[in-house]
Order: sequence, then structure tokens, then C-alpha cells
Amino acid sequence: QKEVEQDPGPLSVPEGAIVSLNCTYSNSAFQYFMWYRQYSRKGPELLMYTYSSGNKEDGRFTAQVDKSSKYISLFIRDSQPSDSATYLCAMSADPGGGNKLTFGTGTQLKVEL
Amino acid sequence: DTEVTQTPKHLVMGMTNKKSLKCEQHMGHRAMYWYKQKAKKPPELMFVYSYEKLSINESVPSRFSPECPNSSLLNLHLHALQPEDSALYLCASSPGQGTGAYEQYFGPGTRLTVT
Repeated sequence: QKEVEQDPGPLSVPEGAIVSLNCTYSNSAFQYFMWYRQYSRKGPELLMYTYSSGNKEDGRFTAQVDKSSKYISLFIRDSQPSDSATYLCAMSADPGGGNKLTFGTGTQLKVEL
Repeated sequence: DTEVTQTPKHLVMGMTNKKSLKCEQHMGHRAMYWYKQKAKKPPELMFVYSYEKLSINESVPSRFSPECPNSSLLNLHLHALQPEDSALYLCASSPGQGTGAYEQYFGPGTRLTVT
């Protein structure tokens, strides 16, 4: 079993839809949770960063962390064609882990006109 | 400014060549990273420098040699690579302390092709 599981998609939605992207994990030591957006042939771009459980909102993006269920989500409201990209979740444990990130495999999202 | 720059953008090299990848950040970050990414796969960690000292080497072959000349610069020296080393090489940095210590910001990458 992988430490972080993420559905690879592809996920296709119409413009304006609410998108839900999810990751599950098995390592209870993870405390720092990140979502990255990666366009084709580009580097990953940090979208959201959360520590421990709870919600965080930034514009059209909301990140949720449920540590009791070992489940994290990224919601995108009013999705746009420019949101079409691969979304990677990433997690990190206690600082003693040496700043290592464990990535999900990424979900490919396509927002259609 | 959350920019990490990498040069060159593209690199084609033969298996006997020696080349270097360069990475630079001016955010005052104290941790810098090299990752390798194959198509449709997540980034794989290669090396971590923390406060200019190598803190993690993920059992990377010796044909890859990292260097951190100062807190803003990170190099990856390449020698005698194999075709399977062709990939997108990503540099990242993170504050390393304080709020958001573990937020990693990535550069655009160098697309390497080994012939």
C-alpha cells in the first residue's frame, strides 16, 4: 500500500463546476499538507499549505484536512479552463523527517467550455 | 516574490558529457532541493540541502553530484549519464524555519535528454 493514494483521473468537468480533489494517506505522522498545480511541462506551483486539521480558503480554492480519517481535499469553485492541470497532494511529517515531501500520483483535471 | 529560477530550460547531452544544472532563489530560504520527475509521475526527491549542508541524499547514483555554493544557489553536476536519466529536473526551496517552514516552492525545471 502506498503512503499516499490519489485518483489519477482524468477528471473532466464543465466550466463553472465545483471540483473536488482528494487524497488519502496511511502515515499518521503527517502534519503538513500541501496542494500543487502542475501544468504540462512546467514545475509544480504551490496552491495551498495547511498544518494539522481544519479548513483553509484562498479565493476559489479551499483545502480541508481530516486527520482522524487521514483524508485531505481540495475544492475549486467556479472552475475555469485555466484550471486544467494536474493536481498533486503532498505531505510532510515532523521536522525530524528532514523536510521530505511524500507526493500523491496526481489527478489530471480538465475543465471544458 | 516566490520565484525559483533554473537554467538551462532544456539540455541535450551525450553519455560522455559533463554538464551542470543551476538553481537560484532570493527568498532567503534556507533549505533547497533537487527532484527528478518522469512523465505522468510525481517528483522524486534526490537531494536536500539545509543551511548549505547536504542533509538528505536519496541513494542517488554518483553520476549526479550536488553542490550548494551559498544559501541562494544550488547546482547539480552531471557526468556519464544514462538515457534513463532523461527527465524533468526540478529545484525547490523552503524557508526551513518559522511559519510555513516546510512550504516548498518549485522552479520551472530543466528538461534533460540524454542521447
